Amino acid sequence: AQKVTQAQTEISVVEKEDVTLDCVYETRDTTYYLFWYKQPPSGELVFLIRRNSFDEQNEISGRYSWNFQKSTSSFNFTITASQVVDSAVYFCALSGHSGGYQKVTFGIGTKLQVIP
Amino acid sequence: EAGVAQSPRYKIIEKRQSVAFWCNPISGHATLYWYQQILGQGPKLLIQFQNNGVVDDSQLPKDRFSAERLKGVDSTLKIQPAKLEDSAVYLCASTRGSTNEKLFFGSGTQLSVL
Repeated sequence: AQKVTQAQTEISVVEKEDVTLDCVYETRDTTYYLFWYKQPPSGELVFLIRRNSFDEQNEISGRYSWNFQKSTSSFNFTITASQVVDSAVYFCALSGHSGGYQKVTFGIGTKLQVIP
Repeated sequence: EAGVAQSPRYKIIEKRQSVAFWCNPISGHATLYWYQQILGQGPKLLIQFQNNGVVDDSQLPKDRFSAERLKGVDSTLKIQPAKLEDSAVYLCASTRGSTNEKLFFGSGTQLSVL
């Protein structure tokens, strides 16, 4: 079975601080995909990034960056110079095989509060 | 491009009543998913359709939940009879093909069972 662990349930930072959201995953697959989604207070989950298991290049997109390390089964997400609009719940997810099916497993989410 | 449409946005029912949710995925998306998100938890897959066929319903409580996607486009999820623990947000998502693609989510239906 596959599993996604987000150990931080809630984080509060002051605006302009950097913050890193941790994600650790478990899978027996050699080919899999990792994702981050954002769920703002409005409720709709929004895709942020997808990474496949063969691509360990870190990625930067504006104030967002992602660090994928297969050796530690981690896919961490950093927001630089956080803003109030970053306040949301962030989910890490894994697409792989579980129970005989190809499925997406989500972590429980990390609630980020950015204080002005 | 229109997004994933869901209705209703909110629903309040009493336990043992029945309820139905509707979802229309993005045009051309063959795969449709229903997720249940209980407060404070991540989305949990209930059922996945590929066109009008069921791919995975291993976590669907089949004694009370049912879903269909008759023409391979829109879908309905039903709960009958509802229990208190069914209170959650029900999210519909779609992808063009497989689960390796990014999911496009609707706004969800918030269900409260009293």
